[in-house]
Amino acid sequence: GAVVSQHPSRVICKSGTSVKIECRSLDFQATTMFWYRQFPKQSLMLMATSNEGSKATYEQGVEKDKFLINHASLTLSTLTVTSAHPEDSSFYICSADTGVGEQYFGPGTRLTVT
Amino acid sequence: GDSVTQMEGPVTLSEEAFLTINCTYTATGYPSLFWYVQYPGEGLQLLLKATKADDKGSNKGFEATYRKETTSFHLEKGSVQVSDSAVYFCALSEGGGATNKLIFGTGTLLAVQP
Repeated sequence: GAVVSQHPSRVICKSGTSVKIECRSLDFQATTMFWYRQFPKQSLMLMATSNEGSKATYEQGVEKDKFLINHASLTLSTLTVTSAHPEDSSFYICSADTGVGEQYFGPGTRLTVT
Repeated sequence: GDSVTQMEGPVTLSEEAFLTINCTYTATGYPSLFWYVQYPGEGLQLLLKATKADDKGSNKGFEATYRKETTSFHLEKGSVQVSDSAVYFCALSEGGGATNKLIFGTGTLLAVQP
């Protein structure tokens, strides 16, 4: 199947700093990518839909100025957590849409804000 | 809004036992239904899907039937193996296909013992 990578897999940052997470589709082009957040023992919560060449669409309750999404190319979307705080600590997962009815997921990024 | 409810885990079984993981959904329209599996240290992978009522999705010995009358999509396997140990997520797609955003259940951890 198609491969989606995320970088980094783990990151620890200090409160108040910003962190960028990359999501890449390695062997296909993805017009649409999705960013999810997963808390321990909870389901994946969709944060935003990332569209190549246009602004991301954020879900209700997700601060667009805090979670900046850039989908600069058909194989790369980035999520930047700005001015991170401990409550932003979570597992962030991206997925990429193949355009033919399937999403492929990245392995996730564990963010810890101290 | 639309939602997915799946049985809490962990589910612990012996090898060759029969598996059922319950999943029910609430939706205003006619969603597509999915089961995803997440093996340790890996991203979510699509296991099977069904796009309309009475469809049966199947893959790797797993199967699930889209039951509109009971709004259910229970996952079953006749004989589990140790290699099936993973977290299983039930999900629905509001737009009717995986290219649209997914709503996930909380996930069920399956542990298969030799």
